[in-house]
Amino acid sequence: SQQGEEDPQALSIQEGENATMNCSYKTSINNLQWYRQNSGRGLVHLILIRSNEREKHSGRLRVTLDTSKKSSSLLITASRAADTASYFCATDATGGADGLTFGKGTHLIIQP
Amino acid sequence: NAGVTQTPKFRVLKTGQSMTLLCAQDMNHEYMYWYRQDPGMGLRLIHYSVGEGTTAKGEVPDGYNVSRLKKQNFLLGLESAAPSQTSVYFCASSYSTSGWYTDTQYFGPGTRLTVL
Repeated sequence: SQQGEEDPQALSIQEGENATMNCSYKTSINNLQWYRQNSGRGLVHLILIRSNEREKHSGRLRVTLDTSKKSSSLLITASRAADTASYFCATDATGGADGLTFGKGTHLIIQP
Repeated sequence: NAGVTQTPKFRVLKTGQSMTLLCAQDMNHEYMYWYRQDPGMGLRLIHYSVGEGTTAKGEVPDGYNVSRLKKQNFLLGLESAAPSQTSVYFCASSYSTSGWYTDTQYFGPGTRLTVL
């Protein structure tokens, strides 16, 4: 079953604007990870945030985690055409290194 | 470093045929995973391995078998392919310091499999 659910399913914005994607999950986690997938390609890791962290930054990316609400958000600032991709949140449930549970993803389109 | 590689990139099978997908990583990672991705869906875990010689079932293991004879390789087998196994298959590897959590995963480019 899907643990993480992204919202919105699709997002189209103008280049230079900020893009925000949300993720909700159901069970306790060790960490939550965000990945990017360009069309027809494999997934690329963006950020990992641990359950005891509330916010993390990496370049133009900002991730927040609220374990009380079982939710996370990914903010991409000053978007570029190259940011066009699908973005997935993935959760590592407590209990061991037994893989990630992925949401269905948000498809982001950056209009030039 | 090549990272994670997958062979083949594309394959078409007829129902009932068998095949093996090969995943190789050169990062000396202990952990390796096989996922499948269906249209409009996220990835779902098929099987995984926490070390050479060990494998375990994931969320959707039925119809698949795996083997990890060497640390750098993780094989996914379909004994009797079915149309429901038409999907894109991704292999991933990761390094975990404790074994208590799944760390950053490094993905291969995927194998697109069609079963007619």
